[in-house]
Amino acid sequence: AQSVTQLGSHVSVSEGALVLLRCNYSSSVPPYLFWYVQYPNQGLQLLLKYTTGATLVKGINGFEAEFKKSETSFHLTKPSAHMSDAAEYFCAVSGAAGNKLTFGGGTRVLVKP
Amino acid sequence: DAGVTQSPTHLIKTRGQHVTLRCSPISGHKSVSWYQQVLGQGPQFIFQYYEKEERGRGNFPDRFSARQFPNYSSELNVNALLLGDSALYLCASSLAPGPNTGELFFGEGSRLTVL
Repeated sequence: AQSVTQLGSHVSVSEGALVLLRCNYSSSVPPYLFWYVQYPNQGLQLLLKYTTGATLVKGINGFEAEFKKSETSFHLTKPSAHMSDAAEYFCAVSGAAGNKLTFGGGTRVLVKP
Repeated sequence: DAGVTQSPTHLIKTRGQHVTLRCSPISGHKSVSWYQQVLGQGPQFIFQYYEKEERGRGNFPDRFSARQFPNYSSELNVNALLLGDSALYLCASSLAPGPNTGELFFGEGSRLTVL
């Protein structure tokens, strides 16, 4: 069984400040980890994913995440927030078969000017 | 190129009715997955189909069913609708199942309201 916990349902950051979204997972098999972004009235868009190899993963729009097995974490960061980053972000995990993604509850990001 | 397209975009039904949601994957994609996203929550996996065969099923009652057609499009059917079925239903497509087979592309969803 797999599960994902996202700490903080809402995060408010100032434009230009660091964005840090926390994700912890539970998996009985080696995990594949994902971050998706959802803008209002739209579907989900993949930001980045970890499958194997390098534990620091770079994604689109300046986001990156680090897989830490010892902490069962996959936190998402962006050094400098932009107004366009306001959206909801979802962390997800799947097993090797990849037949399904298990999502966290999401974190809504508000960017203040 | 067209992305994942879903229809209808919005619909309203009453309790006990039946609904059919449709999804056309990206050209060349043979795997389609369905997710339910209740307001304020993350998406929950319902089904995955690949080459017209069911490859995965989430923890949903038998009122939920799906199928995939020879052209790889898919339908999600929900019978005997309940108020709790109100949600955004997302379809996603990929070349094949598995995290190493390329990105999972999501459509914009079908928003179902059950009154």
